[in-house]
Amino acid sequence: EDQVTQSPEALRLQEGESSSLNCSYTVSGLRGLFWYRQDPGKGPEFLFTLYSAGEEKEKERLKATLTKKESFLHITAPKPEDSATYLCAVQAGESNYQLIWGAGTKLIIKP
Amino acid sequence: NAGVTQTPKFQVLKTGQSMTLQCAQDMNHNSMYWYRQDPGMGLRLIYYSASEGTTDKGEVPNGYNVSRLNKREFSLRLESAAPSQTSVYFCASSWQLVYGYTFGSGTRLTVV
Repeated sequence: EDQVTQSPEALRLQEGESSSLNCSYTVSGLRGLFWYRQDPGKGPEFLFTLYSAGEEKEKERLKATLTKKESFLHITAPKPEDSATYLCAVQAGESNYQLIWGAGTKLIIKP
Repeated sequence: NAGVTQTPKFQVLKTGQSMTLQCAQDMNHNSMYWYRQDPGMGLRLIYYSASEGTTDKGEVPNGYNVSRLNKREFSLRLESAAPSQTSVYFCASSWQLVYGYTFGSGTRLTVV
């Protein structure tokens, strides 16, 4: 069964303390892996798409990487405004429209 | 502001009541989606519309119906609400999946 698992469920960091979030997947025929950010009471906001192992994407303090089994979202010197839930999703198989979503990692950055 | 607009933002229904959630996008996207989000679970696709005039079932379609009214609007209907349908509902649209979705701000639905 296709599955996406994110860890940890929650992560508390001090401002400036770098860390990584993990998204592991078991799917047949990965076509793309997506990262989204979700603030409380709002819809998810698209961050990155990764297509193949070895690919990296960056945006401000965030860098996403992809291997054949997992993706990491690295957060460098985070600020309180980076606090949010980060969601990972995978497109696999033949569908052009369906994604498999992880449950998310809630990130809290303390000043 | 360009984006996806959902109404209402909050709704409380009694078991057995019906309601329609409205969604409109102004980005000229072809595809539109309805998701539900429950605590501790990933987003689950209810229905999607790949293009105007087409709709397809997603992962959890039972108890729901949809209408793609035109390119801009995609509505979700609960014919007879059940407590298991208590959730946050998100509408999304996209040009192509690889460019990411644009989500609305959600409808928080409680069925008592």
